[in-house]
Amino acid sequence: DTAVSQTPKYLVTQMGNDKSIKCEQNLGHDTMYWYKQDSKKFLKIMFSYNNKELIINETVPNRFSPKSPDKAHLNLHINSLELGDSAVYFCASSQDGGTVTYEQFFGPGTRLTVL
Amino acid sequence: GENVEQHPSTLSVQEGDSAVIKCTYSDSASNYFPWYKQELGKRPQLIIDIRSNVGEKKDQRIAVTLNKTAKHFSLHITETQPEDSAVYFCAAKTRSYSGAGSYQLTFGKGTKLSVIP
Repeated sequence: DTAVSQTPKYLVTQMGNDKSIKCEQNLGHDTMYWYKQDSKKFLKIMFSYNNKELIINETVPNRFSPKSPDKAHLNLHINSLELGDSAVYFCASSQDGGTVTYEQFFGPGTRLTVL
Repeated sequence: GENVEQHPSTLSVQEGDSAVIKCTYSDSASNYFPWYKQELGKRPQLIIDIRSNVGEKKDQRIAVTLNKTAKHFSLHITETQPEDSAVYFCAAKTRSYSGAGSYQLTFGKGTKLSVIP
């Protein structure tokens, strides 16, 4: 009955590799997000998808590509991993749209370590 | 981009005392202000939120105040308990520069609250 789930929970990989993180929500929400939380705990929006359409891309390198096969899933693919990509990545979802804003529910996070 | 400033970055209080965390924002169009609590190794979770049509909201020991004119909002925790120890984030719904009419939550940098028994 988990609302927002992510896999894997931990990911350790070498520089230059390509990896994916998966996210699924069973809340029936329209909008899903990816956030990056660095070692100083700063939470920064990376992407937002509303009904399978990208609506935010906040100066994220194009090595990061979000993919949404349907509105319950938003996966994050990262090419050519760099040391600076090490962080915790959170997926989130909300029943959102337009001027009304609702709570964002976060997944448990994926701790990515690039060696 | 739009900015949310949060102070203090760390806060230690004795159990039973009150804790106050303050945030300011720059986007005059912001109309939604949530507060999230993140325990060590866990996900951020919403504890309270406020919309721009009200000045104050309370939920048991937690209250949030909003001053739209001054563009600042605050979190107040009374009768603190050790389980209140966590990192607290304020956020504001701000305009995104990625597309006309699109919005995002911009987070403050967090306040690490320690409640000493």
